[in-house]
Amino acid sequence: KAGVTQTPRYLIKTRGQQVTLSCSPISGHRSVSWYQQTPGQGLQFLFEYFSETQRNKGNFPGRFSGRQFSNSRSEMNVSTLELGDSALYLCASRQGLAVQETQYFGPGTRLLVL
Amino acid sequence: AQTVTQSQPEMSVQEAETVTLSCTYDTSESDYYLFWYKQPPSRQMILVIRQEAYKQQNATENRFSVNFQKAAKSFSLKISDSQLGDAAMYFCAYSVLEPNDMRFGAGTRLTVKP
Repeated sequence: KAGVTQTPRYLIKTRGQQVTLSCSPISGHRSVSWYQQTPGQGLQFLFEYFSETQRNKGNFPGRFSGRQFSNSRSEMNVSTLELGDSALYLCASRQGLAVQETQYFGPGTRLLVL
Repeated sequence: AQTVTQSQPEMSVQEAETVTLSCTYDTSESDYYLFWYKQPPSRQMILVIRQEAYKQQNATENRFSVNFQKAAKSFSLKISDSQLGDAAMYFCAYSVLEPNDMRFGAGTRLTVKP
């Protein structure tokens, strides 16, 4: 099976712009979670989607949003980009919602905001 | 609020030796899961080992084992017979059973010396 894929892998944007990142989970996985990784704040949970519904959201401003499609692919959107949004954005998929299920991570999208 | 603390930003170990990475956490929950994830340089994060809080027996996965002390809220990772491929950032993580809101520690960078 193909692993979790994320596109694009690298992105450069300027402040005020918006960005959309994409994540394709492992085939058969219905849960997709998003994380932000920065040197200062470490790894932080953004949100989780399951069957096209947002199940939980981390402590991030409303500029961060996401969605999931019927094929389980997910996108996250960041509007009005700020310098502090520069980060590695990771998505992870698992079959269901049980926390003990293994999450499989993608390679990440590295976003640089200038 | 649940927090995860990794007090060792960097560790090094000689190849074939044993190393222990420390992790403490804070929670008021009685049941939860703890994880160790490995993030090799420029590679995807992978699950190393997981432990359910209700299970007293320490989890083991080949050369990786944990020392789970529930009362002390401590969850250390022991790597035996260290190999060059073990060099990576190691993250300790905590999650309640539902919903997904995985909390990560700041990470420990492990160097393996030949």
